[in-house]
Amino acid sequence: AQTVTQSQPEMSVQEAETVTLSCTYDTSESDYYLFWYKQPPSRQMILVIRQEAYKQQNATENRFSVNFQKAAKSFSLKISDSQLGDAAMYFCASETSGSRLTFGEGTQLTVNP
Amino acid sequence: NAGVTQTPKFQVLKTGQSMTLQCAQDMNHNSMYWYRQDPGMGLRLIYYSASEGTTDKGEVPNGYNVSRLNKREFSLRLESAAPSQTSVYFCASSELVPLTYEQYFGPGTRLTVT
Repeated sequence: AQTVTQSQPEMSVQEAETVTLSCTYDTSESDYYLFWYKQPPSRQMILVIRQEAYKQQNATENRFSVNFQKAAKSFSLKISDSQLGDAAMYFCASETSGSRLTFGEGTQLTVNP
Repeated sequence: NAGVTQTPKFQVLKTGQSMTLQCAQDMNHNSMYWYRQDPGMGLRLIYYSASEGTTDKGEVPNGYNVSRLNKREFSLRLESAAPSQTSVYFCASSELVPLTYEQYFGPGTRLTVT
């Protein structure tokens, strides 16, 4: 079975600063996808960024970027120039066979003004 | 497009009661999923349907049944609710095309079983 581990239950960052959220995963697949989802207080799950494992280049989406270390099975999320609207629960997820997702426990991010 | 819709948004049941959570998507996706989210935990897959006419168990299927009514709709049924099924339930859909793979989530149903 696949496992995804987020070792930081809570993180905080000052507005305009940079923060990195950690994620490690375990998979026996040779090709797979990794994702970061954001869940604000509204509970809506919003895709932040995705990484295809066969691509060595780290994915970026505006202020969000990942550090993907395939050999170490590590997939961290960096948020630059943090904004108040970034405050949310962030979930790391890996794709299993059949397009199913396995989620980590989540990291609650607080952004301080 | 409404995306993925779920009904109801909130529900309170007594132990032993039954109910069906409804989910519909208007994106013509082949695959649909049901997850539950418990406090302090990520989402866990209950059941999924890779395509119309097929359903498979996920990580936590006990106590639930599903029906893929057609390509648009995927329902989750609790036959005899238990307090351990108190949770937030999410439905999602996706298209089985790897390069454009993404799961789209509904707004969730908060279920309380007393």
